[in-house]
Amino acid sequence: AQSVSQHNHHVILSEAASLELGCNYSYGGTVNLFWYVQYPGQHLQLLLKYFSGDPLVKGIKGFEAEFIKSKFSFNLRKPSVQWSDTAEYFCAVNAKAGTALIFGKGTTLSVSS
Amino acid sequence: KAGVTQTPRYLIKTRGQQVTLSCSPISGHRSVSWYQQTPGQGLQFLFEYFSETQRNKGNFPGRFSGRQFSNSRSEMNVSTLELGDSALYLCASSQTGGGARTEAFFGQGTRLTVV
Repeated sequence: AQSVSQHNHHVILSEAASLELGCNYSYGGTVNLFWYVQYPGQHLQLLLKYFSGDPLVKGIKGFEAEFIKSKFSFNLRKPSVQWSDTAEYFCAVNAKAGTALIFGKGTTLSVSS
Repeated sequence: KAGVTQTPRYLIKTRGQQVTLSCSPISGHRSVSWYQQTPGQGLQFLFEYFSETQRNKGNFPGRFSGRQFSNSRSEMNVSTLELGDSALYLCASSQTGGGARTEAFFGQGTRLTVV
C-alpha cells in the first residue's frame, strides 16, 4: 500500500528564512505528486503538482518542489518565507495506476514577523 | 465556476446516532473522494467514487459508507457514531480521479462533533 511521510511535524521560522519541508513516499510504480496548503480557517488548496517531465516544479506564491525519483522524495522549498505562509502543508501522492490520493500527516509552519 | 460544496458545515451528534454528510462536486467533475481530518492522524482517505461506483476504499470500519448519484453528488454516512468519529470530514472532487493527471479540489469540510 502507498504511504507518505512528512519528516517535520512543526517548523518555526523567522520571516525571510529559507524553507524546506521533506516528503517521502513509498510506492514502487509511477506516481503523481502534490503539495497542498491549508491556511487557518480555509480549505485545502493546491500549491503545486508533478505529473512528469522536469523534476523541478514551480507553484504559486514562490514555492517550488523537486522530485527525486531515486530517493522517492518530493521536497517543498521556498527561498524566503513570509508571515502569510503560516499554514499547514500536506504532501500527497497517487499512483498513475489509479489509486486514491494519499496524504502525509502534514507539517505546521509558523512564521514570525 | 462554483467550488466543492459540503453541507452541513457543522454537526453535533450523540454517540450511537447516525449522520449523513453531503458533497456537491465542481460541475463536470465525476470523481468524489472523502477524507477524515483529525489533529493526530492528518487526512485519512475514506473512499472514492467515480460514476456512481466506489473505486477505492480506505481502511475504515463498515460503519462508514458512501454513495454517489448520477449527477456526481455524493453522500457519506456514518452509523453508530463513536466519540472518536469527531473530526473534519473533507470532500474532494476531480475530473477523473484515480491516477489521471488531474488535481483534486477540496470543500470547506463538515465539522462533526460526537458527544
